[in-house]
Amino acid sequence: DIQMTQSPSSLSAAVGDRVTITCRASQSISTYLNWYQQKPGKAPKLLIYDASTLYTGVPSRFSGSGSGIDFTLTISSLRPEDFATYYCQQSDSNPVTFGQGTKLEIK
Amino acid sequence: QMQLVQSGAEVKRPGTSVRVSCQTSGYIFSAYWMHWLRQAPGQGPEWMGCISPNTGETVYAQKFKDWVTLTRDPSISTGWMELTRLRSHDTAVYYCARDKSGSEGRIFDLWGRGTLVTVSS
Repeated sequence: DIQMTQSPSSLSAAVGDRVTITCRASQSISTYLNWYQQKPGKAPKLLIYDASTLYTGVPSRFSGSGSGIDFTLTISSLRPEDFATYYCQQSDSNPVTFGQGTKLEIK
Repeated sequence: QMQLVQSGAEVKRPGTSVRVSCQTSGYIFSAYWMHWLRQAPGQGPEWMGCISPNTGETVYAQKFKDWVTLTRDPSISTGWMELTRLRSHDTAVYYCARDKSGSEGRIFDLWGRGTLVTVSS
């Protein structure tokens, strides 16, 4: 199975900050990497797929980059509604695997 | 409005089975694979498997292969996940999710609200 490792596991930031979350795959996955946002008690929401393609309706302050084994999710200017947990997920091969999550908290 | 509506929370005894339903609406059921995932408290999502809406072909994670069964009925745009031989560590929220790609692309763009399954004696 492909292991996905996110860092940091938690992050404190203020409204307006720029934040970056990283995700590393245990083997090359090309650009088969997706990012989700999850709020407490809710299902995950797709933000970015194929490493850098913004999903429909997702604000442009979210962006993704990377290929191979290293990927990043960047939020350019945090808004209050962005405080949540973020997961990366590889869609290269079965079984699909997720990172352990990055909890973004308000500073 | 596209949505996946899951059945309600369940409390089960160890060793029994649970069946969770996922009724879809607002899109063409036969055009998108359906995936099932679960999320234990404080953990990331865990993928269990997926099913083709047209052929019923299934793909399971090796971990779940012998004790999960995915089925679907295109006539009512609904899928089901049955998990057998339940144990306490199967306590989790179970989700159905649509595959964005129209095939087994493994990108989940639409999710149900989740079904909490609690396994307790």
